[in-house]
Amino acid sequence: DVKVTQSSRYLVKRTGEKVFLECVQDMDHENMFWYRQDPGLGLRLIYFSYDVKMKEKGDIPEGYSVSREKKERFSLILESASTNQTSMYLCASSLRVISEVGREQYFGPGTRLTVT
Amino acid sequence: KQEVTQIPAALSVPEGENLVLNCSFTDSAIYNLQWFRQDPGKGLTSLLLIQSSQREQTSGRLNASLDKSSGRSTLYIAASQPGDSATYLCAAVDRGSTLGRLYFGRGTQLTVWP
Repeated sequence: DVKVTQSSRYLVKRTGEKVFLECVQDMDHENMFWYRQDPGLGLRLIYFSYDVKMKEKGDIPEGYSVSREKKERFSLILESASTNQTSMYLCASSLRVISEVGREQYFGPGTRLTVT
Repeated sequence: KQEVTQIPAALSVPEGENLVLNCSFTDSAIYNLQWFRQDPGKGLTSLLLIQSSQREQTSGRLNASLDKSSGRSTLYIAASQPGDSATYLCAAVDRGSTLGRLYFGRGTQLTVWP
């Protein structure tokens, strides 16, 4: 079974802190994604990565950065946490297959981040 | 940009009913469409993936269909049970994305009461 794990289920941080959210997958997937989910707004893509050290901005990258030093690990960094970054953060991974087959995305359990 | 819409936003039914959840997308050039389930406070669980060359996929009591020409997919749940209560999301990977990026709908919140 594909497994995507996230470092914390719940996290409480103070405004201005630097926050690291970690995601690890064990299926040798090339693609990894970070989303945030808010009531009424659905899932929004923050950043994604298609290879080690490669990254692409999603729809809402402002206030975030990412790091992919190893294939299995994708980190989301909040440089200076703010209250409007209080949200559920979801990580996902998938194969990068250039064909019609595959690309099923697998999600982690999520991290509920509260910034006070 | 692909836009995905799900109707209805919420649905409440008695146990045992057969029901249909709807998903529409604006750009028919998709690689595949994926249906997910999300329980409150949890991550997403993949239910079914339909490739663009397929018309439907089945898993147990779930059946998902895809009509690219009309930009629609439906998730059919047979003989619903209280344990089916969750939010159901659909998401499409369009051909403009070589990296497998998903575009999500906002979900249908399903409640099945005994």
